[in-house]
Amino acid sequence: QSVLTQPPSASGTPGQRVTISCSGSSSNVGSNTVNWYQQLPGTAPKLLIYSNNERPSGVPDRFSGSKSGTSASLAISGLQSEDEADYYCAANDDGLNGPVFGGGTKLTVL
Amino acid sequence: QVHLQGSGPGLVKPSQTLSLTCTVSGGSISSGGYYWGWIRQHPGKGLEWVGYIYASGRTYYNPSLKSRLNMSVDTSKNQFSLKLSSVTSADTAVYYCTTAGYTNSVADYWGHGTLVTVSS
Repeated sequence: QSVLTQPPSASGTPGQRVTISCSGSSSNVGSNTVNWYQQLPGTAPKLLIYSNNERPSGVPDRFSGSKSGTSASLAISGLQSEDEADYYCAANDDGLNGPVFGGGTKLTVL
Repeated sequence: QVHLQGSGPGLVKPSQTLSLTCTVSGGSISSGGYYWGWIRQHPGKGLEWVGYIYASGRTYYNPSLKSRLNMSVDTSKNQFSLKLSSVTSADTAVYYCTTAGYTNSVADYWGHGTLVTVSS
């Protein structure tokens, strides 16, 4: 059972906007910044969002993140077929002295 | 851009020690401010943090693995390593070597992952 809570699945049609939620607690999401990772089938996770809403170089601006209190969200606008992947949220946990992760959300592009 | 290449046996017997090494290219493991770590993913499951190590040798381990875990750095080879003792089938997972410190994230770059199966 993962420390951060994500919906197991999400879906949308091409061009649509979808959001994925991530819920934590005061020791992780509530007091530290949130990252989002994209894991395409058979590959390693890739950093998509850091510091709640910052994108590394090369990540399209279709991807955006937000945080409020102990919850965070990833939004994907203009959904494309290549966005079909697993998405994970992560945050450092003050009690663990290391990161905790969500259980992952499998995004299907219909 | 930093590139991480993990290596090690893909099959380990129960009660033995799992040993993995990650070779770093495109950056120096001795550079200050960065830290090096391992994150694992059980088959079909989510991600679990294993531990971090700094070039100085300072370590941070997941408490659930701490008693069996040892991480080290070899700056001369630009490598860092993981040893997990007394393994069971619960340690079967893909082990990713990672690095952080380039952005404010828990892992900026990831290796391709090494599947380690614990089985007799």
